[in-house]
Order: sequence, then C-alpha cells, then structure tokens
Amino acid sequence: DQQVKQNSPSLSVQEGRISILNCDYTNSMFDYFLWYKKYPAEGPTFLISISSIKDKNEDGRFTVFLNKSAKHLSLHIVPSQPGDSAVYFCAASYFQGAQKLVFGQGTRLTINP
Amino acid sequence: EPEVTQTPSHQVTQMGQEVILRCVPISNHLYFYWYRQILGQKVEFLVSFYNNEISEKSEIFDDQFSVERPDGSNFTLKIRSTKLEDSAMYFCASSDGTENTGELFFGEGSRLTVL
Repeated sequence: DQQVKQNSPSLSVQEGRISILNCDYTNSMFDYFLWYKKYPAEGPTFLISISSIKDKNEDGRFTVFLNKSAKHLSLHIVPSQPGDSAVYFCAASYFQGAQKLVFGQGTRLTINP
Repeated sequence: EPEVTQTPSHQVTQMGQEVILRCVPISNHLYFYWYRQILGQKVEFLVSFYNNEISEKSEIFDDQFSVERPDGSNFTLKIRSTKLEDSAMYFCASSDGTENTGELFFGEGSRLTVL
C-alpha cells in the first residue's frame, strides 16, 4: 500500500540554502496534507499542513506547496539550519481533522554547516 | 507545553506473552490513537478511539490487539499474544478533534522487542 510516497530516502543540504522535500500521493480522495518532523528517540512533531483547496501555505521558514493535478506536494525550508536535520514525514488524510493519517516513508534531511 | 506521555519507553518480551503499552494523552483531547513504526518502515495507523469506543481501525489491528481507557487519563494498547513481527515502535497520539489543523500530537513512543 503506497498511497503516499516519498521517493528520496535522504537529502543533504548546505546550511543557509533551501531544502526541498517531495511527496507524491495516489489516492485522489485525500483532501488534507501534513508534514511531520521526527528526531531520533522522539515522536513525530507537526510542522505544517495544507488543505486541498489551497496551493500554498507558509509558516515562517516553512512553506508547503500542493499541486493537486499532479498529486504532488513539497515542503520548502529556507534558510535551512542545522537544527532542521531530522526525518520528515509527509502524511495525508481524507479531510481536515480526520482521525487516520497515511504516512509516507520519510526523508532524512541532513543540514551541513 | 502539554504533551503525550508513554510508558514504558522500551519493553522486551518473549513471543506469546501479553504486553500492555500505556499512554497519557493531553488532558483536554477527545480523540486517541495508536500508530506503529516497524524499523525502517513507514508510520502506520492502528486504531482511533473516541467516546470510549473504537472509531476506526486498520487491518493490522486484529483480534490480538485491544485498546482501553480504564480511567480518565490513561489510554492503553494491549497485545495479547505477541509475535516476532510485532516488534516495532508504538506511538500514542491524541487530538482535540477540531478542524483547526488536523494535527495529532504524538508521544515519544514505546519500543517493543519480541524475542
């Protein structure tokens, strides 16, 4: 069951540059998307979300873009900081506030000083 | 800042034994969840719980699993007869059920190792 896919298992970016993490989904019934960040030995922490009625949502250094026709979303982090090094999970749900999230496999982001 | 707490952080058990994982959700939250992550794999939904009953469960959540809210604060996941493939990190989560962000708050996880 690969309804949500993050095809890059890892990404390495220089501090201060832009980090772009990608996510694709196959289920057109998904209506709401979230990004979670996870440090080792901790649970996932919510980062940012977007509803399918929008194509962009911004919160500080983090911006999520949604291309519904391509079933693709991306998370942009700019500028990248060493503390951003973590595993990033894309997740989807059938509506905002839905109980079940379907997660991607995660992308390990490493920010190099 | 309120947080979801889970115990134990790590449990090692023999195959066939029963295990109970405990969680204290955020106090004003109404929805409770268990997710799990097998090493190297994605985080998977197990079950959601609202108003003292299961509201949704995945195909993984078969008869060996059960959830309970025995009092006003704890939320437990019981695995009746553990199998090797139950080895995973189990995450409890809670939400307030509003549509503000759809955010789930996760605990730090309980690592279960079945030998």
